[in-house]
Amino acid sequence: NAGVTQTPKFQVLKTGQSMTLQCAQDMNHNSMYWYRQDPGMGLRLIYYSASEGTTDKGEVPNGYNVSRLNKREFSLRLESAAPSQTSVYFCASRTSGVYQETQYFGPGTRLLVL
Amino acid sequence: QKEVEQNSGPLSVPEGAIASLNCTYSDRGSQSFFWYRQYSGKSPELIMSIYSNGDKEDGRFTAQLNKASQYVSLLIRDSQPSDSATYLCAVVRAGGTSYGKLTFGQGTILTVHP
Repeated sequence: NAGVTQTPKFQVLKTGQSMTLQCAQDMNHNSMYWYRQDPGMGLRLIYYSASEGTTDKGEVPNGYNVSRLNKREFSLRLESAAPSQTSVYFCASRTSGVYQETQYFGPGTRLLVL
Repeated sequence: QKEVEQNSGPLSVPEGAIASLNCTYSDRGSQSFFWYRQYSGKSPELIMSIYSNGDKEDGRFTAQLNKASQYVSLLIRDSQPSDSATYLCAVVRAGGTSYGKLTFGQGTILTVHP
């Protein structure tokens, strides 16, 4: 039981390049999320998927796209990377249940855009 | 005004003392409240959740919620050097309950010195 996994762990891109961040969970959770974390900013929600087949924008979606490939996998794509997208990206999945919800985070992807 | 705001820190306490971390939120309809701990270079980990006014205790941790004052706090008793981390307050705003969308504060760095 690996929980939430993310690949790659670290990536360096040049401005304008594209890449896809991969996320998978083996906990059979319906909901999955992508966050970015910048110094002094906490975590900000980029996109989320409430269930397989649905995705929706979060707080900071500009410059990103997502795909909920199946119940396990939720990918984040940067079509044309910009230096402002230098950040640490976390994927999370959520248990559901009244007063029992928990979000489990992956180990993160550290992205540097030059 | 930020949606979720934490005392700026950093906070330094001696080993064995009580560490007090505070968080205010702006959306009066917020439903669910969480404290995450994040060690340097690691992903956030849920340590406490609270949904109704009052105190909730779990071991050395106590979460306190006051919805009238829009205030949530985390007390750590008998602080240990291993408690040194960034503590993130997170809130599910009104209307977001069914999707679990978290809004995070900027985090408070806690250092417990021997």
